[in-house]
Order: sequence, then structure tokens, then C-alpha cells
Amino acid sequence: QLQLQESGPGLVKPSETLSLTCTVSGGSISSSSYYWGWIRQPPGKGLEWIGSIYYSGSTYYNPSLKSRVTISVDTSKNQFSLKLSSVTAADTAVYYCARHIIAAAFRHLDYWGQGTLVTVSS
Amino acid sequence: QTVVTQEPSLTVSPGGTVTLTCASSTGAVTSGYYPNWFQQKPGQAPRALIYSTSNKHSWTPARFSGSLLGGKAALTLSGVQPEDEAEYYCLLYYGGAPVFGGGTQLTVL
Repeated sequence: QLQLQESGPGLVKPSETLSLTCTVSGGSISSSSYYWGWIRQPPGKGLEWIGSIYYSGSTYYNPSLKSRVTISVDTSKNQFSLKLSSVTAADTAVYYCARHIIAAAFRHLDYWGQGTLVTVSS
Repeated sequence: QTVVTQEPSLTVSPGGTVTLTCASSTGAVTSGYYPNWFQQKPGQAPRALIYSTSNKHSWTPARFSGSLLGGKAALTLSGVQPEDEAEYYCLLYYGGAPVFGGGTQLTVL
């Protein structure tokens, strides 16, 4: 059974960089056809896709966040990571990682991590 | 700015049938938007239910079904159970970039 687990600081200061890691177990992050994505959810609000990465390092990002987002992958550790720079209180959210399938006939986010709350505050 | 619109809230009786819809600000939703549906209960991560309009995951209960209806993506719950009370989100793909709807709070009463 594929499992994803987010980890990282729960508190980040304004203007600093938020850094999270997602560890994948029960499957290889290097499997073909799978991207790996980040999604966030501000408290009491809806979901927002942040971006996704292929094991080769190919990425694509939400245009509204692109200037501040970097997603990277470490296949040796079966992990992928998120960096979001210049954070403000508006970036306070539960951050989820998920497996993202992008194929000709199918596109979906199937397996999700449990999420981790990141609060931006001084 | 692309907007995906869902009903803010719906109420259904146990054992009843309810349809949630998902509209796009760009026009009619087609299979090319690869509509997805997710269920989220309080304090939990979203759970994938439907992908690419009508395909179910191995864990999706049979009472959930997806379709295209009147230019929108639709999620129908037949024989609603009390445990189906949750927030439901749709997701549409715009040239590869996924955009979530605002969610529908489904109350089973």
C-alpha cells in the first residue's frame, strides 16, 4: 500500500522560506507515469494545487505561485520536496503531498499524505 | 483567472439520491478536462473518489458515480449513507494544470 508522509517545520516567519518534504513508502518514486504533487488548504477554505514533479526532475507549477515555488526530487531517498519563498500569513495552510498520475487517458491525484499544518507568523 | 464552481451546500435524506455539479468559467466541461471528485471529512485528508469523469478507484463505494450533465461534471450519490456527510471537491484540468472547485458541503439529514 502506497503511503506518503509530509514533514517539516510547523511554524515559519514572514518573508522566510517554507520547506517541506514528502517521503514515499510502499512504492518507488521513480515509477514511470507518476508525478508527485503538492496541494494546500488554508484553514476553513478549499484546496489549491501548488505544483508537481516527475522523477526525472521535470516540473510544472500553479501559475499564481510559480515565482515563489520550487519542487525537487531525491530518488535515492524516495522523497520530494517543496520550497515556497517570501511567505506571508496567506500561506498558512495544511500542506498535502500526493501521487499525481498524468497520462493520455487519465489524470488524477490518487494517494494523499495526511497533511501538515504550516503557520506563518512572527 | 479560471474559476471552477460548485454548489456551496446540499442536503439529502438518508437513502436518497443527490447530484453535485462542477462548472467551468471557460464554458462546457468535457471529458478533456478529466473531471475528478474528492471527499473530505473534518480533520482528514481528501480521498479520491472519481477520476477522468466516471472512473472509480478501487476503494470507491458503488453508490458513487461520475458523469457529464448539462455542460458540467457531476457526482451522483445513490442510496446515501450517514457517513457520506462531508465536503466534496471537484477538480478540472486546464492544459495540464489542475484547478479545484470551491467545494460542496453535503449534509445528510
